[in-house]
Amino acid sequence: KNEVEQSPQNLTAQEGEFITINCSYSVGISALHWLQQHPGGGIVSLFMLSSGKKKHGRLIATINIQEKHSSLHITASHPRDSAVYICAVTRNNDMRFGAGTRLTVKP
Amino acid sequence: NAGVTQTPKFQVLKTGQSMTLQCAQDMNHNSMYWYRQDPGMGLRLIYYSASEGTTDKGEVPNGYNVSRLNKREFSLRLESAAPSQTSVYFCASSVATTGTGTTQYFGPGTRLLVL
Repeated sequence: KNEVEQSPQNLTAQEGEFITINCSYSVGISALHWLQQHPGGGIVSLFMLSSGKKKHGRLIATINIQEKHSSLHITASHPRDSAVYICAVTRNNDMRFGAGTRLTVKP
Repeated sequence: NAGVTQTPKFQVLKTGQSMTLQCAQDMNHNSMYWYRQDPGMGLRLIYYSASEGTTDKGEVPNGYNVSRLNKREFSLRLESAAPSQTSVYFCASSVATTGTGTTQYFGPGTRLLVL
């Protein structure tokens, strides 16, 4: 079993829909990261959080340390949000990644 | 400010050949990392360098060597390439090691095909 599990693996939405991507992990962590991988392959960090909630534009990330669970929400989704979203956890000097959720937003 | 750069962008090797993937960052970061990404799997850490002069193994180090040439540059070497090393390789850097939970900045990736 992977240490970091994401669901769903694939997600198709209509423009304007509210999107939720989930991440569960099984180890103690110092922080959790959400990353976005563009269709061209580039990877950018969206959030790093160790507790509570963070918001950036239409993106919201939450984490529940006790339940070892995090969610990434996208409000008012847009076709340009189409990408692979990756959850990763850090512990000690190691970073472990989920397999990613492929999001497609249709106009 | 170019961020993290990688060369080459794409490479084809024959089994047994050697090559070095280059990575450089201009953000004055202390820590640098090499990952590989395979279809259906998450990124996996090959090696990392917490600071100039130090390197440590990650999750999948077999078949690879690294050199932290200076604070800016961190290279990954395949001494004898194997088809199992066909992958996309990403270099990343951060201000400090992931133990402090710092944000990593990724390069554009190198796509490697070993025949």
